[in-house]
Amino acid sequence: AQSVTQLGSHVSVSEGALVLLRCNYSSSVPPYLFWYVQYPNQGLQLLLKYTTGATLVKGINGFEAEFKKSETSFHLTKPSAHMSDAAEYFCAVSDYTDKLIFGTGTRLQVFP
Amino acid sequence: EADIYQTPRYLVIGTGKKITLECSQTMGHDKMYWYQQDPGMELHLIHYSYGVNSTEKGDLSSESTVSRIRTEHFPLTLESARPSHTSQYLCASSSANYGYTFGSGTRLTVV
Repeated sequence: AQSVTQLGSHVSVSEGALVLLRCNYSSSVPPYLFWYVQYPNQGLQLLLKYTTGATLVKGINGFEAEFKKSETSFHLTKPSAHMSDAAEYFCAVSDYTDKLIFGTGTRLQVFP
Repeated sequence: EADIYQTPRYLVIGTGKKITLECSQTMGHDKMYWYQQDPGMELHLIHYSYGVNSTEKGDLSSESTVSRIRTEHFPLTLESARPSHTSQYLCASSSANYGYTFGSGTRLTVV
């Protein structure tokens, strides 16, 4: 069975600081990995995804994530936080069935 | 520009009422999904469909039912709403080329 663990339900950073949101996964098959962002009262928007190939994946809004098989991790980073980055972030894993399994989410707060 | 539409966005309804949450997509995706999201918690898959006349229950047990009579339409029905059904319901569709697209959700409150 597949699962996702997001460490830290809340992360607070200052504007301009590094953003690091942690995600570890468990999968019995090569995983497809995703990061989604959810703004208040909105659906989910895809930030980036890893399927195969290059392990460093660049997404929208300056975010990137690195797939590390040896650590079963897919942490999300952004070099410099912006106030507009404040939102809920979800890591997800899927296999060939296309069903997404989500983590519990991390709420990112950005302080001026 | 949303290609997947959910109505209503917000719904407050009394216990025992029958409700249908609508979900429509214009992308021609065969695969569609319903997720339930409680505040501060992960999304749980409650129903999915891989095409017309195909529906399956997801990982989280739900008293709701779904139907898929047309490719673009995937409504969710609760025959008798209860306070325990209070949650946000997110609809999504997917294709191999475009991945998942999520609707804006329906926030349901049963009083």
